Amino acid sequence: GAGVSQTPSNKVTEKGKYVELRCDPISGHTALYWYRQSLGQGPEFLIYFQGTGAADDSGLPNDRFFAVRPEGSVSTLKIQRTERGDSAVYLCASSLGGGGRGAKNIQYFGAGTRLSVL
Amino acid sequence: SQQGEEDPQALSIQEGENATMNCSYKTSINNLQWYRQNSGRGLVHLILIRSNEREKHSGRLRVTLDTSKKSSSLLITASRAADTASYFCATEGVQGAQKLVFGQGTRLTINP
Repeated sequence: GAGVSQTPSNKVTEKGKYVELRCDPISGHTALYWYRQSLGQGPEFLIYFQGTGAADDSGLPNDRFFAVRPEGSVSTLKIQRTERGDSAVYLCASSLGGGGRGAKNIQYFGAGTRLSVL
Repeated sequence: SQQGEEDPQALSIQEGENATMNCSYKTSINNLQWYRQNSGRGLVHLILIRSNEREKHSGRLRVTLDTSKKSSSLLITASRAADTASYFCATEGVQGAQKLVFGQGTRLTINP
């Protein structure tokens, strides 16, 4: 597609429920990233995929959070037993990947999913 | 956790004036990038400066990087109302980890 697509754009759920957030990256981008942004803060890194594998999941806050990218394209962020503190905008980004210092590292962001846990 | 700080946290200027935002970071970097965000949603990439570069221009944007001071600045010249947004710097570390570490952002308001 033309850009990174995230669905749903808004998700309201109750404490304790399970949610899935979807990210469809730019076609041909091998690297995919998830970030979380709380109100008034900058985005915070959650996990990074290179292809199908999670190259860096050091930002996942706990084992309630899990992400997959089974075919190296679409990714799903899964949150179990949601808590009110999980409320935030979840941002997905993709890039060409491949290392170096230049344009391949530019990350293109989706519009995000605003998650509200009541 | 955030990489560093942006200064100022908020900036309000008149249309046509120049806006300068500063960013400091803590660790060695591969590159530094500036992003713009409207209404708390998707971020738009503005400019990337590599660690071996000192200055870069793109249209009305000018970015400087001082790796000895671990700081960067973003200058927007001849500001327009449409430039009203939050601006974030983000750094990519040298160890091949391509995650970006963002600052807390500067909220820029351009008054017509």
